[in-house]
Amino acid sequence: EAQVTQNPRYLITVTGKKLTVTCSQNMNHEYMSWYRQDPGLGLRQIYYSMNVEVTDKGDVPEGYKVSRKEKRNFPLILESPSPNQTSLYFCASSFFPNYSNQPQHFGDGTRLSIL
Amino acid sequence: QKEVEQNSGPLSVPEGAIASLNCTYSDRGSQSFFWYRQYSGKSPELIMFIYSNGDKEDGRFTAQLNKASQYVSLLIRDSQPSDSATYLCAVKAGNTPLVFGKGTRLSVIA
Repeated sequence: EAQVTQNPRYLITVTGKKLTVTCSQNMNHEYMSWYRQDPGLGLRQIYYSMNVEVTDKGDVPEGYKVSRKEKRNFPLILESPSPNQTSLYFCASSFFPNYSNQPQHFGDGTRLSIL
Repeated sequence: QKEVEQNSGPLSVPEGAIASLNCTYSDRGSQSFFWYRQYSGKSPELIMFIYSNGDKEDGRFTAQLNKASQYVSLLIRDSQPSDSATYLCAVKAGNTPLVFGKGTRLSVIA
């Protein structure tokens, strides 16, 4: 089954404790992206990657890191999480190039709470 | 700053009626337009996409695009309570990242 898989689905942790949210897709998509979603603010892009070893900042990259060492994986790293990073996070992927014609497929989301 | 604007709602319609959701965008270079449905706490799910001016129909859903007015809409015919969700409009230009609106919350009253 074609899918984008995020782990963990839920996480409660404390300020300053490094964490990684994994994202993996099995559709051979070149493009992958991370979003956070907060009430009243909609989906905001954190980072995106157009291919292996190519990453770019989105609208809200502060406090986050990503890496794209393999085509299928795009982990999101919070080196020193803070309470303002409490949010619902989504990973998404699509084909690229011809990216403009390709919809994004979303993972099920990770609900992150930083105390 | 590229912007995609949607009325946050809630938009309430009775069961069986037509729900009309609207979206405007600021980037005249936008080429691709997507509508996603998102149930509370769930991930966005693609329901329609449109690239050319005019209407595109898929079952009970019709997407309408007017590039001159920078306007895209989604019509849902014979609305059902299961259509109650937040609808996200997303727009993209070339190979730049997708830009999402904040969504319109639709409530279909049985």
